Amino acid sequence: GEDVEQSLFLSVREGDSSVINCTYTDSSSTYLYWYKQEPGAGLQLLTYIFSNMDMKQDQRLTVLLNKKDKHLSLRIADTQTGDSAIYFCAVEREYGNKLVFGAGTILRVKS
Amino acid sequence: DAGVTQSPTHLIKTRGQHVTLRCSPISGHKSVSWYQQVLGQGPQFIFQYYEKEERGRGNFPDRFSARQFPNYSSELNVNALLLGDSALYLCASSPRASASTDTQYFGPGTRLTVL
Repeated sequence: GEDVEQSLFLSVREGDSSVINCTYTDSSSTYLYWYKQEPGAGLQLLTYIFSNMDMKQDQRLTVLLNKKDKHLSLRIADTQTGDSAIYFCAVEREYGNKLVFGAGTILRVKS
Repeated sequence: DAGVTQSPTHLIKTRGQHVTLRCSPISGHKSVSWYQQVLGQGPQFIFQYYEKEERGRGNFPDRFSARQFPNYSSELNVNALLLGDSALYLCASSPRASASTDTQYFGPGTRLTVL
């Protein structure tokens, strides 16, 4: 089955850039997503990228997709303390809205 | 517009009991999916319903069941609760059945604790 892996933890200083990485196994995935989860809360959709794109930029967020290596990354520019959260990579699997999630990367932003 | 709503927010049950969780999708959304998020892990897909029909099922035992009503709201039922069922149960809605630029929007979840 589909496997999505992420690094467990990332610590950055306020104002620096953060890069969160994700690898996946299913090359047929059409859409790839980044979600944010703050403590005690549900999932907030941050951005997504279609599999025929290499890059997508949305304000402070940049998503890079390397289909050959099945590698997805999320770059957050000018990271703020409010960006501290768990970030999940998710890929679409099969027909329909089944998403396969990674285990999440804890982002800690130090002031 | 209201987002995805779920009830209750928190729930405590004992082993062997039954639980029903509820979800109301965003207005106009016809697809509802359920996910289980165990502490420290990513969400895992349980079910997808579209137009009141089951469209997908994850690797969960038959103790888990769900249904979707004519107004597109949904219930997730879990029978014979086990300690391992303790988790955050997330509901997600989207306009259509298949993935497209209409992505899924998640509710705040129901925190289930089984003692």
